[in-house]
Amino acid sequence: EAGVVQSPRYKIIEKKQPVAFWCNPISGHNTLYWYLQNLGQGPELLIRYENEEAVDDSQLPKDRFSAERLKGVDSTLKIQPAELGDSAVYLCASRGQNTEAFFGQGTRLTVV
Amino acid sequence: DAKTTQPPSMDCAEGRAANLPCNHSTISGNEYVYWYRQIHSQGPQYIIHGLKNNETNEMASLIITEDRKSSTLILPHATLRDTAVYYCIVRVVRTGNQFYFGTGTSLTVIP
Repeated sequence: EAGVVQSPRYKIIEKKQPVAFWCNPISGHNTLYWYLQNLGQGPELLIRYENEEAVDDSQLPKDRFSAERLKGVDSTLKIQPAELGDSAVYLCASRGQNTEAFFGQGTRLTVV
Repeated sequence: DAKTTQPPSMDCAEGRAANLPCNHSTISGNEYVYWYRQIHSQGPQYIIHGLKNNETNEMASLIITEDRKSSTLILPHATLRDTAVYYCIVRVVRTGNQFYFGTGTSLTVIP
């Protein structure tokens, strides 16, 4: 069974440019999470989806970050415009009805 | 708010048992304790979880105190590949099954 797939694996962009990350969760998993992980820190939740509905986006900086999960499957996280402080690893995770959360490999963003 | 407290780092000799402690003094009766680990440049990996009883699987054992305010993850025979950051997480049912990560314990297995 394929795990959570994220792309790209690495991304380097100049500040003020837009960037998007893509996540394909495990088939059948209704819950999808986006986390941000700074160097030396634990993951911090940005947003959680139940199917296509964002049920908790209180930690998402809505002035520049947006996310969508069309049809309740794949999800995209976007930053526009990116700032130097956005450099981090962006992790996607999914969870089924009675399972633990499975994480992808993450996307390492570097803003220069 | 911090949900769990873990020591920032630990060492363990290869082949010996690694005992990683975690305090979760504000845990509620219906909240689970989860353990994940993160090897460098990878996403967190599930290890084990429990509610009240001690649990064991092919990776580790989880010992939860009777008052549920602390727990210990045990890797019975640590190998070099167990070197990772270990996160103790309380599944906060009140806020809808969120997983809140702390800063974890960086375990180094020494040859």
